[in-house]
Amino acid sequence: SQKIEQNSEALNIQEGKTATLTCNYTNYSPAYLQWYRQDPGRGPVFLLLIRENEKEKRKERLKVTFDTTLKQSLFHITASQPADSATYLCAAGKAAGNKLTFGGGTRVLVKP
Amino acid sequence: DAGITQSPRHKVTETGTPVTLRCHQTENHRYMYWYRQDPGHGLRLIHYSYGVKDTDKGEVSDGYSVSRSKTEDFLLTLESATSSQTSVYFCAISESQSGETQYFGPGTRLLVL
Repeated sequence: SQKIEQNSEALNIQEGKTATLTCNYTNYSPAYLQWYRQDPGRGPVFLLLIRENEKEKRKERLKVTFDTTLKQSLFHITASQPADSATYLCAAGKAAGNKLTFGGGTRVLVKP
Repeated sequence: DAGITQSPRHKVTETGTPVTLRCHQTENHRYMYWYRQDPGHGLRLIHYSYGVKDTDKGEVSDGYSVSRSKTEDFLLTLESATSSQTSVYFCAISESQSGETQYFGPGTRLLVL
């Protein structure tokens, strides 16, 4: 069955550094990948979407890549801040309105 | 939370009782989803709807049913609650045009004793 995997270990990073998160998928050829942020006790919030024909997408301090050969997406937070501390979820989908498959999320802790 | 409310926000119930969770949206989005989130499993889709009275099963639908009689409301029913259904339940919506991005509600924390 299709699987989306993220590093379950928390990522501890110093303020100002770049945090890099990995999302790998197996038994799947998604049309797009999405990244969401989730704070404790709250629902996920959409951050970025990247399609299979795009290599890279940026939004402010965030950058996401999509490598269909490696079956992997990387999510970067540059110049990280303590306010970036949260859990980040990767999700994959095939078509508009279709079901998303989520990874388990990676918790990021940015230390001042 | 993009005009999405969930009720109740917290509920404690006993094994064997039926439970209904409500998701209400004011965005007039076509698609609505119910997920559960558990440690070690991430978000898993229970059921989804692609229009009024049009619903389909997700990957963990056993023990759950849904109904959508109006665009704005999507109900999730646990027919006979079990302890394994203790979880945090999230509703999400998406538009028909852009389709892909999902907007999530604040969640309902359910404890089945």
